Amino acid sequence: DTAVSQTPKYLVTQMGNDKSIKCEQNLGHDTMYWYKQDSKKFLKIMFSYNNKELIINETVPNRFSPKSPDKAHLNLHINSLELGDSAVYFCASSQAGRSSYEQYFGPGTRLTVT
Amino acid sequence: AQRVTQPEKLLSVFKGAPVELKCNYSYSGSPELFWYVQYSRQRLQLLLRHISRESIKGFTADLNKGETSFHLKKPFAQEEDSAMYYCALSLGGKLIFGQGTELSVKP
Repeated sequence: DTAVSQTPKYLVTQMGNDKSIKCEQNLGHDTMYWYKQDSKKFLKIMFSYNNKELIINETVPNRFSPKSPDKAHLNLHINSLELGDSAVYFCASSQAGRSSYEQYFGPGTRLTVT
Repeated sequence: AQRVTQPEKLLSVFKGAPVELKCNYSYSGSPELFWYVQYSRQRLQLLLRHISRESIKGFTADLNKGETSFHLKKPFAQEEDSAMYYCALSLGGKLIFGQGTELSVKP
């Protein structure tokens, strides 16, 4: 029973393309996140949604657009992909107000832009 | 600015040796600190949080406000402890991670 799942696991694409990564959680959490892990394994938050509302938007290029159709899903769409977008993208979820700091992570999506 | 620093990128020890992964933070308020671990080919998962003062898999971490540190310790390292360890500060609903320390425990 996967708690936080992401698709695809691997994504290889060319510069200039548009791609999406999907995330789903079955934990009943109301808050979801996207993190980026770069080649040096540094993890940085990108976005956070609470009950489908954007609450955290770090300094991320406009080419990145998250979408949350419902509490259980948070997708990440990336336009005009660049070489520097190559990274592992992690989705996570938590329940705000109760152990909100305990975040449950997905397996990651390794994006390679050529 | 709020920041979490893990000065060691890689820490290599022999099985049975003590291990300490360093974490320092920069935050003027009362911090909420955590250690997350990522085993090879597995997802990132919570290891322990300072507020519960618990020991998980033999690991402990004490918050030292004077030194603004939250070092992770284990008296006797095991090979299965080899993983990537991240110290994190909870701030306004988000986690600020340190750069991570890769722990390698050799037989």
